[in-house]
Amino acid sequence: DAKTTQPPSMDCAEGRAANLPCNHSTISGNEYVYWYRQIHSQGPQYIIHGLKNNETNEMASLIITEDRKSSTLILPHATLRDTAVYYCIVRVAIVNSGNTPLVFGKGTRLSVIA
Amino acid sequence: NAGVTQTPKFQVLKTGQSMTLQCAQDMNHEYMSWYRQDPGMGLRLIHYSVGAGITDQGEVPNGYNVSRSTTEDFPLRLLSAAPSQTSVYFCASTRRLGYNEQFFGPGTRLTVL
Repeated sequence: DAKTTQPPSMDCAEGRAANLPCNHSTISGNEYVYWYRQIHSQGPQYIIHGLKNNETNEMASLIITEDRKSSTLILPHATLRDTAVYYCIVRVAIVNSGNTPLVFGKGTRLSVIA
Repeated sequence: NAGVTQTPKFQVLKTGQSMTLQCAQDMNHEYMSWYRQDPGMGLRLIHYSVGAGITDQGEVPNGYNVSRSTTEDFPLRLLSAAPSQTSVYFCASTRRLGYNEQFFGPGTRLTVL
C-alpha cells in the first residue's frame, strides 16, 4: 500500500467547510483513495472513496488532483459532531488476501470549534 | 439495520481469566474481522473470517481464538488474559473479501489487571 501524509491536526469553525488534505505521491494506477474517520471512543467510520474522478456523497466530497498525487476531503458545513480523527488510506480496490488489513496511519485530528 | 454490534462495552479481567467478546452483524456480510487498537499503534488485525466455517489469523493472533458458526456472529475468545491484551477491540464486517468499505462496531474496552 502506498504511504500517505496528512497534517496532524486542523481546526475549523462550525458551519464552515473543512478541507482535509492528503498527500499520496507514490500511489499506483490501480489504487483508490479511501477516507475513514474515528470519533472519540467509537469505531472507525467509512466516509468516501475514489479513483481519479471527484466523488460526492451525503457525508463529504473527495477531490483528487489530476496527477493523483494528492487529494482533499471536504466536509461542506462542519458541525461539532464532525470533530474526529480523519484517516486517508490508499489501497487497491479489491484485496485478494483476507490477511491484508486496512492500515490506519496517524490521521488528522479535526477540531470543529463553535 | 443495527449494523455491527459488540458486547460488552467495557470489561475488566484479572490475569489468567478467560472471556468471550461478542460481535454480530445483520447486513449479511461475508467478511468479518477483529482488530485491536492501542495508543499510537493504529489498528492491528487479530483474526478474520471470509465466511461461515472459515477463519484465519491476522498479524497478532496469539492469545486469541475465533469461530464462525453463522454468518451473523464472530466471537473473539481470550484464552488466558494477560496485561498486554489491555486494549480497545473492534469488530468489523464487509460484504465480501477484499472490499474496503468496512463497517466497524462501537468497540470493547478491555483492561487486564
